[in-house]
Amino acid sequence: DAGVIQSPRHEVTEMGQEVTLRCKPISGHNSLFWYRQTMMRGLELLIYFNNNVPIDDSGMPEDRFSAKMPNASFSTLKIQPSEPRDSAVYFCASSLGVTAGELFFGEGSRLTVL
Amino acid sequence: SQQGEEDPQALSIQEGENATMNCSYKTSINNLQWYRQNSGRGLVHLILIRSNEREKHSGRLRVTLDTSKKSSSLLITASRAADTASYFCATDVSGGYNKLIFGAGTRLAVHP
Repeated sequence: DAGVIQSPRHEVTEMGQEVTLRCKPISGHNSLFWYRQTMMRGLELLIYFNNNVPIDDSGMPEDRFSAKMPNASFSTLKIQPSEPRDSAVYFCASSLGVTAGELFFGEGSRLTVL
Repeated sequence: SQQGEEDPQALSIQEGENATMNCSYKTSINNLQWYRQNSGRGLVHLILIRSNEREKHSGRLRVTLDTSKKSSSLLITASRAADTASYFCATDVSGGYNKLIFGAGTRLAVHP
């Protein structure tokens, strides 16, 4: 299996622009997570999907952030409009099952908002 | 807020030495996991220990869990330069759905 695939790996954009990050989870996994990693705040859970349904979005920082999972093999995280403080590495992770287990992480999307 | 807090924040050792990292957490958990992150890469799962377990081994890794003290430790024996990475503990909050909350991590540098 190719693992969790994220794109783009790097994104540089200007403040106010829309940013869309993409994730393909491991086939057969039914849980998907979006995390954000910064030096100041570490790894933060943004949103969790189970069977394509958003279960917990309490970590989404504000309305500028939205996430979708239209099917079992694809998810997007969108920021509109983007701000410099959104600069971070965004990770997607997937796991098998609802209860506790190993998370498989993608390589991350490094976002820089100028 | 972060559930887990790792200690120390940074650790520098020589190859062949053992490395011990500690993690403390605040609320009751279902399990605790340790992950490794190489620079510029995603996190990789190392080991999972359940709340009813006290110790677990995997190769050169040994993890302990003390639920009464709400703490865990990760021991890497006979360290290698390739072990250089950041190590994170992650707790599955009881009653959660595999909602993992990560600590701030320990940066380990192993010098040849």
